Amino acid sequence: LAKTTQPISMDSYEGQEVNITCSHNNIATNDYITWYQQFPSQGPRFIIQGYKTKVTNEVASLFIPADRKSSTLSLPRVSLSDTAVYYCLVGAAASGGSYIPTFGRGTSLIVHP
Amino acid sequence: KAGVTQTPRYLIKTRGQQVTLSCSPISGHRSVSWYQQTPGQGLQFLFEYFSETQRNKGNFPGRFSGRQFSNSRSEMNVSTLELGDSALYLCASSSDTGGFGYTFGSGTRLTVV
Repeated sequence: LAKTTQPISMDSYEGQEVNITCSHNNIATNDYITWYQQFPSQGPRFIIQGYKTKVTNEVASLFIPADRKSSTLSLPRVSLSDTAVYYCLVGAAASGGSYIPTFGRGTSLIVHP
Repeated sequence: KAGVTQTPRYLIKTRGQQVTLSCSPISGHRSVSWYQQTPGQGLQFLFEYFSETQRNKGNFPGRFSGRQFSNSRSEMNVSTLELGDSALYLCASSSDTGGFGYTFGSGTRLTVV
């Protein structure tokens, strides 16, 4: 069971780069790492997903070391609108009854002017 | 393309009643998962349906049930409502490849009085 651990909260300022790390010591061979962003009273929004090394898209980068026991979500030049809760989720689709997806409590990011 | 649609958006029910929530996934997605989100417990996995079959189930009592239709639309039902069932219920669809690359709906806010 790939339990995840993230910092409860983080503070940053507009224009800075923010790195949020998630620990997942029990990650399985087939597991992927997926990050979500959630605003109050909305469903989580998919940000990025990776399996190993580095993945980059138009909004974020995901760094995964060789041992895959942690991952870091990097948000470049954050703005006030990036204030949200960020979750990492580890697992593989089609795992069926062998795995219960567990989101953890997430990281509350507050971006200050 | 259209996102995940959940209806209704808000619902108020009385203890002891039952409720049915509906979810229309993204076209082509055959996997539909349901989550309960509360301030105290965070995001908790209820169950997942794939091709009309429940493929995975979280640790919720039997009062929580669901089903999926041939067009991948899904419903979840909660019987004998309790005050503690008040929550945001989120539906998520995915393509069932790779990791948990969910697309979430906006949720149904259920209040039990």
